[in-house]
Amino acid sequence: DQQVKQNSPSLSVQEGRISILNCDYTNSMFDYFLWYKKYPAEGPTFLISISSIKDKNEDGRFTVFLNKSAKHLSLHIVPSQPGDSAVYFCAASWDGTASKLTFGTGTRLQVTL
Amino acid sequence: GAVVSQHPSRVICKSGTSVKIECRSLDFQATTMFWYRQFPKQSLMLMATSNEGSKATYEQGVEKDKFLINHASLTLSTLTVTSAHPEDSSFYICSFRGGGNIQYFGAGTRLSVL
Repeated sequence: DQQVKQNSPSLSVQEGRISILNCDYTNSMFDYFLWYKKYPAEGPTFLISISSIKDKNEDGRFTVFLNKSAKHLSLHIVPSQPGDSAVYFCAASWDGTASKLTFGTGTRLQVTL
Repeated sequence: GAVVSQHPSRVICKSGTSVKIECRSLDFQATTMFWYRQFPKQSLMLMATSNEGSKATYEQGVEKDKFLINHASLTLSTLTVTSAHPEDSSFYICSFRGGGNIQYFGAGTRLSVL
């Protein structure tokens, strides 16, 4: 039972444009969400998080939007850069902390020149 | 961000042998560390939560006698896969919860059991 789903395994975006990565979840108990970026041969690195009491969190070029009614979150990267090419994972937890994370399967983003 | 060192990055072993994977936090003292497993085309799945100085808590379906976790210090946790079999071949990755309510991850260990 996949409680966190990233339905797009891959995404290609031109440099300078917006990248939108989507994530859906089924467990309404989730109350804290994180996005991680992973380069080959490295561990996932934290990008941005959002608590369920918010619907938007912004950090530089990265913005995460949360739609609780739709059980959907998205990561926007503007403008996209070639160095953003990586696999992006969304993760969720239900205790308001970064414990017992449930991960999606990831979306591979390719930013082209 | 915090640095987590995980070794080895890749290990190949014969069926029936045991394999130990180390996870060290280099610049942070971690009370709680986590071990995940990822099979091909699947997501990272939490196996167990490792608490310094106490027994690990295992997720449902994870055999605690097969996957031995030791978190003897605030900077080191180890996962030992005992009597490994080909179905244990997977990608194992550790993390610890650091400041800012974030988990910091190691680079992972790819285990291949022949």
